[in-house]
Amino acid sequence: GENVEQHPSTLSVQEGDSAVIKCTYSDSASNYFPWYKQELGKGPQLIIDIRSNVGEKKDQRIAVTLNKTAKHFSLHITETQPEDSAVYFCAAMPFGGTASKLTFGTGTRLQVTL
Amino acid sequence: DTAVSQTPKYLVTQMGNDKSIKCEQNLGHDTMYWYKQDSKKFLKIMFSYNNKELIINETVPNRFSPKSPDKAHLNLHINSLELGDSAVYFCASGADQPQHFGDGTRLSIL
Repeated sequence: GENVEQHPSTLSVQEGDSAVIKCTYSDSASNYFPWYKQELGKGPQLIIDIRSNVGEKKDQRIAVTLNKTAKHFSLHITETQPEDSAVYFCAAMPFGGTASKLTFGTGTRLQVTL
Repeated sequence: DTAVSQTPKYLVTQMGNDKSIKCEQNLGHDTMYWYKQDSKKFLKIMFSYNNKELIINETVPNRFSPKSPDKAHLNLHINSLELGDSAVYFCASGADQPQHFGDGTRLSIL
């Protein structure tokens, strides 16, 4: 089955700096890679996703890059703000088919300090 | 108008009791899921249902029994609760679409 590793487990940055979270996956059949943000007391919320037919996707201050050959993908947050503080999860899945399932990384706790 | 809603938000009960958690989605998705998040925040799938049919069962103890009366609802019943069942349980929906999660049910076993 799929195995997703995520680093670092905690990340502290100053407001305005960039943050990068990295994930690796094991199953070459995985072709869908979402990123979720989880705030305290809330469920994971999708912030960006990427499919294997593209190498990079950007949405305002958030970008995701994918290297299928190396089986790793990364989340980049620029100009961080205090409201970016949360736990971030990467995930991988073979996209398509009702039996497909998301395998999550272990999470990164991001703290943005003033 | 919450997309995925689950009740209750908190559930405190004693070991050995039976409890249920309810989930409803108004996104029109055919597939719904239950996930368990442990104290270390690790998220793991438990079950998925597609249009009321069980698709994924991740070797969860048979004390856990999901039930889907229709494709918009997926409930989770847990018999003979154990200390190790303490966790946050999340419902989600979406298969060929990005999955949307509810806000979780925090289950605490005394």
